[in-house]
Amino acid sequence: DIVMTQSPDSLPVSLGERATIKCKSSQSVFFSSNNNNYLAWYQQKAGQPPKLLIYWASTRESGVPDRFSGSGSGTDFTLTISSLQAEDVAVYYCQQYYSSITFGQGTRLEIK
Amino acid sequence: QVQLVQSGAEVRKPGASVKVSCKASGYTFTAYPIHWVRQAPGQRPEWMGWINTGNGNTIYSEKFQDRVTFTSDTSATTVYMELSSLRSEDTSVYFCARPRQYIDWLLDFWGQGTRVTVSS
Repeated sequence: DIVMTQSPDSLPVSLGERATIKCKSSQSVFFSSNNNNYLAWYQQKAGQPPKLLIYWASTRESGVPDRFSGSGSGTDFTLTISSLQAEDVAVYYCQQYYSSITFGQGTRLEIK
Repeated sequence: QVQLVQSGAEVRKPGASVKVSCKASGYTFTAYPIHWVRQAPGQRPEWMGWINTGNGNTIYSEKFQDRVTFTSDTSATTVYMELSSLRSEDTSVYFCARPRQYIDWLLDFWGQGTRVTVSS
């Protein structure tokens, strides 16, 4: 299985400030035949299922605010929230779908 | 609109089985597989497998291969997940999820989750 590792585990950020979450995969999730990274980001609030934010590492899901952006390729990826809003408090997971499905351990984003 | 509505919370004793349902609506049921993902308290989501609702074929995670069964009822547009030989470590919220069109492994619609508690 591809192991996904996120950092940090917990991230306190002030409102209006930038939040950056890292994700590393144990092997590349880049598929050269279609030039895509099989990496997604989800947001999960308490008592809810995960919500898809980003796929193909950098494609924002419809309806997701443009303060959310994804970047990276191969084994190293980043989710950035450019200006933290109160409603962004949640746990964020990266997930690879290159070989089956595995999730990172999650990053808990909180207000400083 | 796409909806996945799951059955209610369950409590079971160790060694028992549990069957969770996931009723789909708002799209052509047989056009998309359904995945099952579980999440223990405070843990990352864990993929269990999927079922092709068009032909009933299944793929199970190796971890659950011996204990889980997915079935599909096209007339009821409902998928079922049965987990047997339950142990305390199976206490989790179980989710069904439908993937994005043409991207079978990208999960973009989720059920609300079913809490399964295993306790003596």
